[in-house]
This record gives sequence, structure tokens and C-alpha cells, in this order.
Amino acid sequence: AQSVTQPDIHITVSEGASLELRCNYSYGATPYLFWYVQSPGQGLQLLLKYFSGDTLVQGIKGFEAEFKRSQSSFNLRKPSVHWSDAAEYFCAVETSYDKVIFGPGTSLSVIP
Amino acid sequence: GAVVSQHPSWVICKSGTSVKIECRSLDFQATTMFWYRQFPKQSLMLMATSNEGSKATYEQGVEKDKFLINHASLTLSTLTVTSAHPEDSSFYICSAIPAAVENYEQYFGPGTRLTVT
Repeated sequence: AQSVTQPDIHITVSEGASLELRCNYSYGATPYLFWYVQSPGQGLQLLLKYFSGDTLVQGIKGFEAEFKRSQSSFNLRKPSVHWSDAAEYFCAVETSYDKVIFGPGTSLSVIP
Repeated sequence: GAVVSQHPSWVICKSGTSVKIECRSLDFQATTMFWYRQFPKQSLMLMATSNEGSKATYEQGVEKDKFLINHASLTLSTLTVTSAHPEDSSFYICSAIPAAVENYEQYFGPGTRLTVT
């Protein structure tokens, strides 16, 4: 069955530090992968997506993610975190019939 | 860019009443829309897939008679929570897929917070 795991429930980083959020997926075919961010009480904002091609994907707000098929991973990175990056981050995979399965989310806190 | 709206953004209703939530694609046509619910501090769970002009497909464990979905046009899907109870209180989010677009992505609405008292 298709699934998405995000091993880190909560991460705290200092402002200006680098960030990596982990995501692993289980899906038989070539996946379409996404990272979304959600601020408290808000909807989802797409940070970046991977459909095919270059495995290093650039997104908005300085985020990037790398697709590693051998590890079934799609980790999100940012070289320097800003206080405004504090939010909930969801990794997602699109499966057959256009359904999107979301990971459990990682809550990011940023220390000034 | 593609915009999806939801109305209302928040609603409070009494237990036993029904409430309707609208999901609209503002600048594109969507043959398929999805409805999710999200409990506090949890992830989004897919409830159902809504296809224009046909019956919705519900995920396992979602009560069809309780969560009525209608996709009457290419820009509008509605979710009606019937005989609402406090346990139905949640954040409901819809998404839409633009028709006839390859390598698409789903565009999400801002969500509707439902509180049942």
C-alpha cells in the first residue's frame, strides 16, 4: 500500500541554521512528490514538486528537495531558516487515480 | 495562478443540523475535486473524490450518507455534513485538478473550519 512517512514529528532549529526535513514514501511506480507548508489555521501552500527529470528540485522561499529513488526519499532542505518558516510541513505522494496521500507532518519551530 | 476558494471559511452549527461547504475553482475548470479533513495537529485525510457529473467516490470508513458530495459543475463541488455532531468538528479542505492538463498539481482551497456545538 502507498504511504508516506515523516520520521520527525517536531524539529527545532535556530534562525539562520540549515534545515532538513525527512520524507520517505512507499509506492510501486514512479511517484509524483510534493512538499506543502501549512501555517496555523491556514490552508496548504505548495513549496515544490517532483514529477520527473532533475532529481534536485528548487521551490519557493529558498527551499529545495532531492528525490532519491534508491532510498525512496524526498527530503526537504533550506540552507538558512528564517523565523517565518515556523509552520507545519507535509510531504505528499500522488498515487493512482490522482489521489494524494499526505505524510503525518513535521512541525518546525524556529528559535530567534 | 490557479485559485480555489472555499465558503464559508468557518462555520458554527448546532448538533443535529446540516451544513454545506462550497469549493470553487475560480479561474479554471476542474473535472475532479477532492475533499479532505484535518483534525488538530494531524495530517490531511482524504475523504472522497468528486467527479463532475457523477457520484463521488468515498474512502474507506467515510460515511456516504453523512458527508454528501455534489459536483454539479466544472467549477463547483459541495460537501454537506448532515446531522452534524461534535465529533464532526474539523478543518475541511478541498482541492481541484485542472482539466486536460498534463503533469498537473492539485490546487488547495484555504479550508473551512467547522465547529459543531
